Amino acid sequence: KNQVEQSPQSLIILEGKNCTLQCNYTVSPFSNLRWYKQDTGRGPVSLTIMTFSENTKSNGRYTATLDADTKQSSLHITASQLSDSASYICVVSAGRGSTLGRLYFGRGTQLTVWP
Amino acid sequence: GAVVSQHPSWVICKSGTSVKIECRSLDFQATTMFWYRQFPKQSLMLMATSNEGSKATYEQGVEKDKFLINHASLTLSTLTVTSAHPEDSSFYICSARKLGLAGAYNEQFFGPGTRLTVL
Repeated sequence: KNQVEQSPQSLIILEGKNCTLQCNYTVSPFSNLRWYKQDTGRGPVSLTIMTFSENTKSNGRYTATLDADTKQSSLHITASQLSDSASYICVVSAGRGSTLGRLYFGRGTQLTVWP
Repeated sequence: GAVVSQHPSWVICKSGTSVKIECRSLDFQATTMFWYRQFPKQSLMLMATSNEGSKATYEQGVEKDKFLINHASLTLSTLTVTSAHPEDSSFYICSARKLGLAGAYNEQFFGPGTRLTVL
């Protein structure tokens, strides 16, 4: 069964600190993995997208890693800001066949940054 | 580039009425648009896939007669919730896939969402 699991479910950190969010998936065949940031009451905004051959990708203070062998990804946020408070969603896109292009969503990690 | 808008951003309606939600790709053409619903603290759940000029493909368990989807142009898809009931209250999000986007990413761009509350 194609699934995407994220941990932790929620996380509270102090402003300026770093944090790492985890994503494990069983989606096969695999096409790409994306991390989105979703503010409360808003649609998801793309942070990074990685294919099978990409191990790491950065977008400002966000750095995502991908280990396609173990089917794990992480999102590292450095020097957190209050505006980083949001839900971070891991999304895996299926590769081919009947599921080509289909997105599988994790439940998200709710990050709260305190001053 | 790749901006998707939704209208309205929120709507309150009485039970039994119908509500139409629009999804527009503002600066690109989209052959395919997707409709999702999201309950609090839950993942986005795909409701249907909408291809321009053809009938939408609905996910299992989604009533096509209740959630009418029209994708009349490459920049506009609409979702109409017919005879809405309180259990239809949710956050509805659309996304659009860019026409002619080749390569491995096959990216979808999400709209800001529409909050529907049925009284």
